[in-house]
This record gives sequence, structure tokens and C-alpha cells, in this order.
Amino acid sequence: EAGVAQSPRYKIIEKRQSVAFWCNPISGHATLYWYQQILGQGPKLLIQFQNNGVVDDSQLPKDRFSAERLKGVDSTLKIQPAKLEDSAVYLCASSASRDHTYNEQFFGPGTRLTVL
Amino acid sequence: KNQVEQSPQSLIILEGKNCTLQCNYTVSPFSNLRWYKQDTGRGPVSLTIMTFSENTKSNGRYTATLDADTKQSSLHITASQLSDSASYICVVSSMDSSYKLIFGSGTRLLVRP
Repeated sequence: EAGVAQSPRYKIIEKRQSVAFWCNPISGHATLYWYQQILGQGPKLLIQFQNNGVVDDSQLPKDRFSAERLKGVDSTLKIQPAKLEDSAVYLCASSASRDHTYNEQFFGPGTRLTVL
Repeated sequence: KNQVEQSPQSLIILEGKNCTLQCNYTVSPFSNLRWYKQDTGRGPVSLTIMTFSENTKSNGRYTATLDADTKQSSLHITASQLSDSASYICVVSSMDSSYKLIFGSGTRLLVRP
């Protein structure tokens, strides 16, 4: 079974530029998550999709961040314009959501963003 | 406020030695607690998942314990190997409508030869 795929793996941009990340979840997984992980911290949930609908985006800075999962499969996360404090690893995860008790999430390798 | 706190922040041990990582949480209502291992440059990988009724769970040389009364968990690593060098993240799932995961900041373990 293929894991969660993310691209690019690394991205360096200057502040005020735009950037987009792509995630392809495990086949058949209905739930997709985007996390932001700042160095030395645990991941912070940015947005959660159930199929193509948003379940939770309470911690997404909506003035600059946007995400979509139009067909309920792969997803893109965009930052426009980027700030220095956006430097972090952006992790995508997916889960089958068949068992809420365990809700096993499988993570991709992440995209490391550096904003100069 | 739902929080997960881990200690120590970092740890250095010699290969072959045992170690124990600690996790305290204030998440309510509690659903389950999991330990993840995160190698440098990779996403977290689940080691164990425990529900309220489970006190201990093992995965090879990793053994997790859970005391739901005191809201504490520990991860014990036996006979450490160089490949155990990673960050270990304690994560608690809240039994809310979306079963949100609350992440600790992790313990960074370095195993030296």
C-alpha cells in the first residue's frame, strides 16, 4: 500500500511570495489533514477535510492560507503572501475514518518551507 | 485547556541502555493516547495507541503505559539502538466531534555508540 505522498519536499522562497504544496493521501482514505510543524514543536492542525468538505479550519490563518480538496482525493495548501514565521514543515496526513476510537492517521514526509 | 506536556525535552543515552519518556495530559473528554516516532526529515509514525481501558501496550522494544486516573503515560525503550535516535511525540485524541489530535512538543532522543 502506497503511503501519503507530498511535494515538493523542500521549498525556499522570499517573504511576500506565494507557495503551494500538494498532497495525495492513501487510496480510499476519506479524511485528509494539513499540519504545520515549527522546529522543536509538535504538529499543529491547520485544516481537516472529510472527502471534499472542511471539518475543521479553526487554526488556519485564512488571510494568507487556503486549502482545497476539490475531488475529495488530493489536496493543495497555498500560502499567499508568505511571512518569515511561516517557515516550518507542512505535514499532510490521511485516515480511513472507519473507526473513530482509533482514527489512525498516516503522515507524509512533509514539505520543509524556508521563508527568507 | 487541552494540553499535552512531555519530558524531558531532550535525552542522550548510550547504545544498549534503556530509557523512559514521560507524557502528562489534560485532554477531556479522553479518547485515546498514542506515541509517535518521528525521524529527522520524515513524518511521524505511530508506535502504540491505547484507549482508556488499556494500561500497557508493547511494540517490539517499545512499551507504553497509561494511567488514566493521573493522566500520565510513559514510553519505555529497551536495549536502545542507534536507529532509535528520533523525536518521540505523545498525542492525545479528544472525543469531540472531529476526534482532534492534541500533540506534545516531543522528546528528542539521541542514542550514541
